[in-house]
Amino acid sequence: NAGVTQTPKFRVLKTGQSMTLLCAQDMNHEYMYWYRQDPGMGLRLIHYSVGEGTTAKGEVPDGYNVSRLKKQNFLLGLESAAPSQTSVYFCASSYPPAGKPTDTQYFGPGTRLTVL
Amino acid sequence: GQNIDQPTEMTATEGAIVQINCTYQTSGFNGLFWYQQHAGEAPTFLSYNVLDGLEEKGRFSSFLSRSKGYSYLLLKELQMKDSASYLCALPGGSYIPTFGRGTSLIVHP
Repeated sequence: NAGVTQTPKFRVLKTGQSMTLLCAQDMNHEYMYWYRQDPGMGLRLIHYSVGEGTTAKGEVPDGYNVSRLKKQNFLLGLESAAPSQTSVYFCASSYPPAGKPTDTQYFGPGTRLTVL
Repeated sequence: GQNIDQPTEMTATEGAIVQINCTYQTSGFNGLFWYQQHAGEAPTFLSYNVLDGLEEKGRFSSFLSRSKGYSYLLLKELQMKDSASYLCALPGGSYIPTFGRGTSLIVHP
């Protein structure tokens, strides 16, 4: 089992460029999440998905879009990158929802994105 | 909504005991998670408490008081490798977790 993988691991963009971050999990998890982590701010939820074909907004969704066409993949898109989107992005998955006893979130290794 | 508060940074000596606190306010309680995150790495699960009391797991223990909106993580026999951030998280609506800002623990010799 690879667990949760993210591609790419590092990326530098110029303001206005677009990109897609890919998250894949091989644990047959229903729930998937995208977080961003900035110094002193903890993990903030961008978007999440409770199943294939569904997505929902989290705490900081502006400037991002997501898609969950296949159960194992969750894509995060930046249509027009801004310097404020410089961050470390973590994907996570869980089954069933992370609020249930003994169910935790499994995190990917992160993507370090710099927007110049 | 939810509000989670943790100290920003703590320091401790190798071999000592340290207690990391988490206080919270929530409209509906669905348990509390603790995660550990080493610098440059992903968070990993440490513990989950849904009932009041202390749960022990080796050198790490987690305590919960629902009436006080309070939890702590207790680390015993500190080792240098315990230097990390410790994140408190509470599931909210649809059981989606909200994370605190994390406590950076520095263990020195």
